[in-house]
Amino acid sequence: KNQVEQSPQSLIILEGKNCTLQCNYTVSPFSNLRWYKQDTGRGPVSLTIMTFSENTKSNGRYTATLDADTKQSSLHITASQLSDSASYICVVSAMPRRDMRFGAGTRLTVKP
Amino acid sequence: EAGVAQSPRYKIIEKRQSVAFWCNPISGHATLYWYQQILGQGPKLLIQFQNNGVVDDSQLPKDRFSAERLKGVDSTLKIQPAKLEDSAVYLCASSLDPGPKTEAFFGQGTRLTVV
Repeated sequence: KNQVEQSPQSLIILEGKNCTLQCNYTVSPFSNLRWYKQDTGRGPVSLTIMTFSENTKSNGRYTATLDADTKQSSLHITASQLSDSASYICVVSAMPRRDMRFGAGTRLTVKP
Repeated sequence: EAGVAQSPRYKIIEKRQSVAFWCNPISGHATLYWYQQILGQGPKLLIQFQNNGVVDDSQLPKDRFSAERLKGVDSTLKIQPAKLEDSAVYLCASSLDPGPKTEAFFGQGTRLTVV
């Protein structure tokens, strides 16, 4: 069973709308949680990194939240643009090796 | 700053053939990762190096996959012999260290098709 579960699997929204992607994890002991954006045919690009003590982190129109007690994270995208169409991958690292455990991703499509 | 370089970008081979992928991490990055990403799935770690030592290769199919990072800089991943299920994108990533706040940077990947 994957230790990082993401939902929804795919999402279609209209340009300019907001959306929220979810990530639940069972990885323990927790080290950090990252959100990556992966365009088709490209490698993942980091959006945010959060450690245990951080519960929110913003990067432009992207805001990630972390609830380490419930082991949940969300990525909120504001005022979506066509270029936001991509897969968004939640990655959780565990102590002590801090190896990254990847979710399967949410495929976001932004339509005009 | 130059990113993580991978080659080739694409490779098509027949099953039972051998193939090798190359990765040159960002200069100064001690930690190097190889991932396998099957279409529609998230990347799966194959092997993690810290300098030229292996930190984690628990998910590497060692009967057919091998990887090395002899001088602690660039790395090669080899598959011998390839199977149809090895068709995937092979991603290389590097980071300064495996610290909790340290960015990991990914290359564009090598797309392998086994026919």
